Amino acid sequence: AQSVTQPDIHITVSEGASLELRCNYSYGATPYLFWYVQSPGQGLQLLLKYFSGDTLVQGIKGFEAEFKRSQSSFNLRKPSVHWSDAAEYFCAVGAGGYSSASKIIFGSGTRLSIRP
Amino acid sequence: EPEVTQTPSHQVTQMGQEVILRCVPISNHLYFYWYRQILGQKVEFLVSFYNNEISEKSEIFDDQFSVERPDGSNFTLKIRSTKLEDSAMYFCAGKGYGYTFGSGTRLTVV
Repeated sequence: AQSVTQPDIHITVSEGASLELRCNYSYGATPYLFWYVQSPGQGLQLLLKYFSGDTLVQGIKGFEAEFKRSQSSFNLRKPSVHWSDAAEYFCAVGAGGYSSASKIIFGSGTRLSIRP
Repeated sequence: EPEVTQTPSHQVTQMGQEVILRCVPISNHLYFYWYRQILGQKVEFLVSFYNNEISEKSEIFDDQFSVERPDGSNFTLKIRSTKLEDSAMYFCAGKGYGYTFGSGTRLTVV
């Protein structure tokens, strides 16, 4: 079955500290992986995506993620968090390419709080 | 960059009323989706639509829900008789090579 697991429901880090949010997936085909961020009451903003090529992808707002096929993981990292990074983060998996109708599946999210 | 447009951004309706949520996908997208997010919860798949037909639907998408693309442009989600538990953010998405989400419609059923 296709699924996305975000094992951390809530993480608190100090401003300026590094961050890693974990994501594991199960997907039958070649995965197309995403990280989205959502502020309270707002929509989904795409941080970054991976389909192929370099397994370390750079995104907006200083975020990066590394695809590890052997571990079925796509962890999100940021070297130094800012108070404005406090939000809900969702990992998602889907299928890339024009010929696939496969839906995108979301993890349950990780809420990030920033300690001043 | 092309966008998926959803209207209205917020809708309040009385329980039992019908609502139609509207989406204008990106013109060259082939596949369309509706998702739901109850406050504080994960984003859940409702339905996918391709070639004027439903291609997949979840258990949530029961007989109270329907989708259509009436004019080849708009993509709509109808809830026939709203319940309190239908209160949520509804996202439309389209897929070409990748997925593009709209900014959502917040539905409040009172």
